[in-house]
Amino acid sequence: AQKITQTQPGMFVQEKEAVTLDCTYDTSDQSYGLFWYKQPSSGEMIFLIYQGSYDEQNATEGRYSLNFQKARKSANLVISASQLGDSAMYFCAMRGVETSGSRLTFGEGTQLTVNP
Amino acid sequence: NAGVTQTPKFQVLKTGQSMTLQCAQDMNHNSMYWYRQDPGMGLRLIYYSASEGTTDKGEVPNGYNVSRLNKREFSLRLESAAPSQTSVYFCASRVVYEQYFGPGTRLTVT
Repeated sequence: AQKITQTQPGMFVQEKEAVTLDCTYDTSDQSYGLFWYKQPSSGEMIFLIYQGSYDEQNATEGRYSLNFQKARKSANLVISASQLGDSAMYFCAMRGVETSGSRLTFGEGTQLTVNP
Repeated sequence: NAGVTQTPKFQVLKTGQSMTLQCAQDMNHNSMYWYRQDPGMGLRLIYYSASEGTTDKGEVPNGYNVSRLNKREFSLRLESAAPSQTSVYFCASRVVYEQYFGPGTRLTVT
């Protein structure tokens, strides 16, 4: 079974500062993928970033980077230079290749508020 | 490309009524998924289809049925709606590792 844990129900950050959203995971799969999605108040799910379990380098996409620490089973999202438009719910998710049938398992989310 | 489309966007049902949520994708993806999102929670998988003609149960399949009509379309049916099925329903399709989500259907069962 797979499990994603996001321990921060809410986070606040000042505009232009960096923020880290925590995510830990548990899986028995050797090969898996980790994802972050953004859900603004309008409700759509927006894909942000992906990290494969065998990727040696941390994934980056513009202002988003994924701090992947395999031994600690953590996959934290770092948002640099926060903008007001970053205020949203953020979900960490994973997909195990061997056991999950390519299904995504989601955490409960972190509500990020960016203050001006 | 429209991506993943869902109809309807909103729906109110009375307990015991039935309805079908429609989902279509124009990206030629093999895999399609139905999730539900309850307030304050992440998405939970209801059913998925790895390819045309195949469907499998996810984490919360009870009370639902699905049909993979063709490669483009994957519908979700509630045969006898219950208040516990009040939720936002998302359809998604997948290529390689990325899942593309539809805009969601907000369903209320009274």
